[in-house]
Amino acid sequence: AQSVTQLGSHVSVSEGALVLLRCNYSSSVPPYLFWYVQYPNQGLQLLLKYTSAATLVKGINGFEAEFKKSETSFHLTKPSAHMSDAAEYFCAVSGGSNYKLTFGKGTLLTVNP
Amino acid sequence: EADIYQTPRYLVIGTGKKITLECSQTMGHDKMYWYQQDPGMELHLIHYSYGVNSTEKGDLSSESTVSRIRTEHFPLTLESARPSHTSQYLCASGVSGGTYEQYFGPGTRLTVT
Repeated sequence: AQSVTQLGSHVSVSEGALVLLRCNYSSSVPPYLFWYVQYPNQGLQLLLKYTSAATLVKGINGFEAEFKKSETSFHLTKPSAHMSDAAEYFCAVSGGSNYKLTFGKGTLLTVNP
Repeated sequence: EADIYQTPRYLVIGTGKKITLECSQTMGHDKMYWYQQDPGMELHLIHYSYGVNSTEKGDLSSESTVSRIRTEHFPLTLESARPSHTSQYLCASGVSGGTYEQYFGPGTRLTVT
C-alpha cells in the first residue's frame, strides 16, 4: 500500500521568499514520486518527477525537490516565490506493478505582494 | 501537438438527465483514468483503463460508468444525474512501462440542479 501526507493544507509566503512545501510518503516498493500544480479551474500540470535517478530533481518554473529515503520525504522548494506561483500543489506516489497514482490532500500556496 | 482534451469544460444540467463527459488523448497512451475532485479538495480515482475493452472501478465508488472502445477515447457516463454528482471530473492518461506519470486534461465542472 502507498500513501502520501502533505504537511500544511495552506502555506503563505511573501513574494521573493523561499517556498517549501512538505511531502512524506509511504511505499512498500521503490517509489516514483511526483509534484503537480493546479491553477483555478484547470487540470493538473506535472512540475517534476523522481524516478530513482538523481535524488535532487529539477522541474519547471524554478521548482526542485529532493528525495530523502531515510526520511521518506520529497519536499518541494523554490528559492524565490513569484505571484504566479499561487496555486494548489499535489504530491503523488506510484510504483511496482501499480500504475495508479496516490495523491496527497494538496497544499494551497498563496503569495503575498 | 500531443494533448488530452475534455468536453464540455462546464456543464449545468437538471436532475435525472443522462450525461456523457468526453475525454480524448492524442499521445497514444494505453492507460487512462477518471478522477473526481470537489473544490479545493483531493483527487479521488473513480475509473481506470489499461487498454481497449479494459475498464476497472477506482478507489472511490461512483455511479458513473466508462467505456474504452478506442485507445484515444475514454468517455464517462451518468445515466441519471443527481445534485450529489456536482463536482469537477478530471481525465488523465499515462505511459506504459517506465515512469508512471500521468497527464491531465483541463477538467469538466459539472453542476446538477
